[in-house]
Amino acid sequence: DQQVKQNSPSLSVQEGRISILNCDYTNSMFDYFLWYKKYPAEGPTFLISISSIKDKNEDGRFTVFLNKSAKHLSLHIVPSQPGDSAVYFCAASGSGTNAGKSTFGDGTTLTVKP
Amino acid sequence: DAGVIQSPRHEVTEMGQEVTLRCKPISGHNSLFWYRQTMMRGLELLIYFNNNVPIDDSGMPEDRFSAKMPNASFSTLKIQPSEPRDSAVYFCASSLARSNLYGYTFGSGTRLTVV
Repeated sequence: DQQVKQNSPSLSVQEGRISILNCDYTNSMFDYFLWYKKYPAEGPTFLISISSIKDKNEDGRFTVFLNKSAKHLSLHIVPSQPGDSAVYFCAASGSGTNAGKSTFGDGTTLTVKP
Repeated sequence: DAGVIQSPRHEVTEMGQEVTLRCKPISGHNSLFWYRQTMMRGLELLIYFNNNVPIDDSGMPEDRFSAKMPNASFSTLKIQPSEPRDSAVYFCASSLARSNLYGYTFGSGTRLTVV
């Protein structure tokens, strides 16, 4: 049972436009949600996070939206730049005994065309 | 800080051989994670440590896999004997314990090929 799902394996957008990456989860015990970016031959790099008590968190060009009732989150990148081309992973973690342990989605490959 | 350091970057070994992957976490981080990435299963957690103590090893595929963290600055993941299906990229990551909002710092990974 995959608890974190990224249903779009790839996304292509034009430079300057908005990129929207989506993620769904099934475990209602998740309290924290994170996005990572990964370039080839490198490890994932933490990008932005949100706790379940919020519905939006913004950091520069990156904004994460959380819809708890729908168990859905999204990452918006505005404006998109060619350097944003990478694989984006959604991750989720709980609290208590599961604090700090993250479950990852399969990733979405974003291509930003100049 | 040089980040999370993994060695080797690439390992090619023959089936049946022992393989040891190494990880040096970021100084001051007290949680350490071993993940494996494959096309079929994505990024899956193998084991994680808090303050050098294994907390959850439910992701370790079978007894051929073992992990140790003898001190706060070093961890190993050992596969003995190795099999072709173990071929994958193995990532080590570290974080401050229970810092759910700050994410992990990953190493660059070890690409393991078992032939």
